[in-house]
Order: sequence, then structure tokens, then C-alpha cells
Amino acid sequence: DAKTTQPPSMDCAEGRAANLPCNHSTISGNEYVYWYRQIHSQGPQYIIHGLKNNETNEMASLIITEDRKSSTLILPHATLRDTAVYYCIVSGVGTDKLIFGTGTRLQVFP
Amino acid sequence: GAGVSQTPSNKVTEKGKYVELRCDPISGHTALYWYRQSLGQGPEFLIYFQGTGAADDSGLPNDRFFAVRPEGSVSTLKIQRTERGDSAVYLCASSLGAGDNEQFFGPGTRLTVL
Repeated sequence: DAKTTQPPSMDCAEGRAANLPCNHSTISGNEYVYWYRQIHSQGPQYIIHGLKNNETNEMASLIITEDRKSSTLILPHATLRDTAVYYCIVSGVGTDKLIFGTGTRLQVFP
Repeated sequence: GAGVSQTPSNKVTEKGKYVELRCDPISGHTALYWYRQSLGQGPEFLIYFQGTGAADDSGLPNDRFFAVRPEGSVSTLKIQRTERGDSAVYLCASSLGAGDNEQFFGPGTRLTVL
């Protein structure tokens, strides 16, 4: 079973920041938080991951709370192309598989 | 460079038939994964290869499912005696090595069993 809880859907206006929450209250000390997204009819795409520090790359920022029980993926300026299902996954280093939940369906509107 | 490719993109078969689905990983990636995705659900892990060997096949639903990777590159997922419940999108992913959870996914093969 997935170790994360996400809202099933969210909307965001184009150009605005999209903030996608994820709860992972049972996360272990050596487990990372990963985010993937899946655009319609495509395979999932890696976005970002982190352990306890906030992370930023060219796609997004990841904010992890100090107790590591929740995190937020931030798309700073959402575009229509960011419409997708976003998956938050908790996984330890050295594990061999990703356990996907049902994710958050983000709809970016004009 | 080239990403993960999967063939065919679509496969329609009849109940009871045998099917093979092919995955070409990114060159140099030693780890290869198969997932299955049903409508409205997230991908579900099936099997993981490190090199030529299946390191974890705990996700294979039953013995009708089998996968090989004989030369440590291309992999084939084989399904015998297909059932209507096998209908799904079968996704392949690869990564640089064991435990590297930055996995690169292919576009998937949509399997429909009539």
C-alpha cells in the first residue's frame, strides 16, 4: 500500500503557483520523498526528490516539514502543460520499486 | 538521447492467447522495471531486473506472467493464457542502477484482452 495521502484533485490558474500537498506521517528516517507526474497517455515523469531539506530544480520546489510528516510540491508558474496526475511517493534508498497511490489530478486552467 | 521505448504501443488479443510486450531501456541503464496501470489507478509494480537477473518479481500477479532480460538490455514481458482482467497499460522504466529511484518511463503498451 502507498504510504502517502494526497487530495484527489486540484485546480490552478495558469501563471499562478500550484501547491500540491502530501501527507506521509509514517515515513521512516531513511526514506525519501519522491514526486512524479503523469501527463495523459504518457508514462510517469520524475520531478524531484528530497530527504529533509527543501529542494529546488528547474521544474519545481519541494518543501518538507521539519517533522517530515508532510511535504508540498510547488510549481511556481503553472502552465497548461502542467495539467497531469501528480504522485507523491515515499521510498528508501536501495529499494527497487516505486509504490504509487492514486495521486492528485491537477487541472491548470487559462 | 533516446528514451525508453516500448512496442507495440497497442495490442488487442483474445482471451486465452499468448502475448509478448517489449521494452528497450535507455542505453547504459542497468536497472529495468515493469509496472501495470489500470484505468484510474497509479502504476503497480510487477518486476525489477538488475542486469540480466530478476531481482524482485514479487509484483507478478500469478504464474501466467513472466519476464526476461537475457542480455541485460531489452526485456520482454510475457503473458500466457490472457484473461480480460489483464487489460491494462503496461509500463516499462529504467534507471542507472540498483536503488536509483529516478526512473525513466516509456510510453507504455496498452493491452486489451477481448
